[in-house]
Amino acid sequence: EVQLVESGGGLVKPGGTLRLSCTASGFIFGSYTMNWVRQAPGKGLEWVSSISSGGTYIYYADSVKGRFTISRDNARRSVDLQVSGMRAEDTSVYYCARGGSGYGAYPMDVWGQGTTVTVSS
Amino acid sequence: AIRVTQSPSSFSASTGDRVTITCRANQGISTFLAWYQQKPGKAPELLIFAASTLQNGVPSRFSGSGSGTDFTLTINYLQSEDFATYYCQQYYSYPWTFGQGTQVESK
Repeated sequence: EVQLVESGGGLVKPGGTLRLSCTASGFIFGSYTMNWVRQAPGKGLEWVSSISSGGTYIYYADSVKGRFTISRDNARRSVDLQVSGMRAEDTSVYYCARGGSGYGAYPMDVWGQGTTVTVSS
Repeated sequence: AIRVTQSPSSFSASTGDRVTITCRANQGISTFLAWYQQKPGKAPELLIFAASTLQNGVPSRFSGSGSGTDFTLTINYLQSEDFATYYCQQYYSYPWTFGQGTQVESK
């Protein structure tokens, strides 16, 4: 079964740091672009970051650029999101989502269950 | 960044209804548009990609159309399990952007 499982969420103080992790199973992880998407309470979806299959190409939303860092370890079948300089507006459910394999643009076809991050003093 | 605007933001419908949701991009995105369904407390699920291609396992009552800047999601003969929030998303260029969502509620 194709599956993504996120972990690492929790309560963090403003300015603090957290490392979110997503572990994949059921597919050839190293062939796929991976993404993080977040959703603030009661709000819509916001794309956060993407990393290509080999880790060469990385993209961030302007709202997180300079504060968040995406990385992947294909041997461990995992993609991480280090979130630092946390702000109240970063409070969200963070979803890991699979993109495409190969060259071209693809949507996100497999999603994890999400991990909740709350920024509060 | 490409702006994607969905309409309406919410509406009420009955089972058996035909439902149409629209999505407009502020610049051309060819057919690099996806539709997702999200139910409360759950992760989004991909319904349609490339504007009109149904994801595996999605019922055929769902359909998508459009290209360039204007897109439509149609649900024929709405079922009880279709009451949810729907999002469009462009993946033509980074930063990827979502519409604000359309909540389909039971009348």
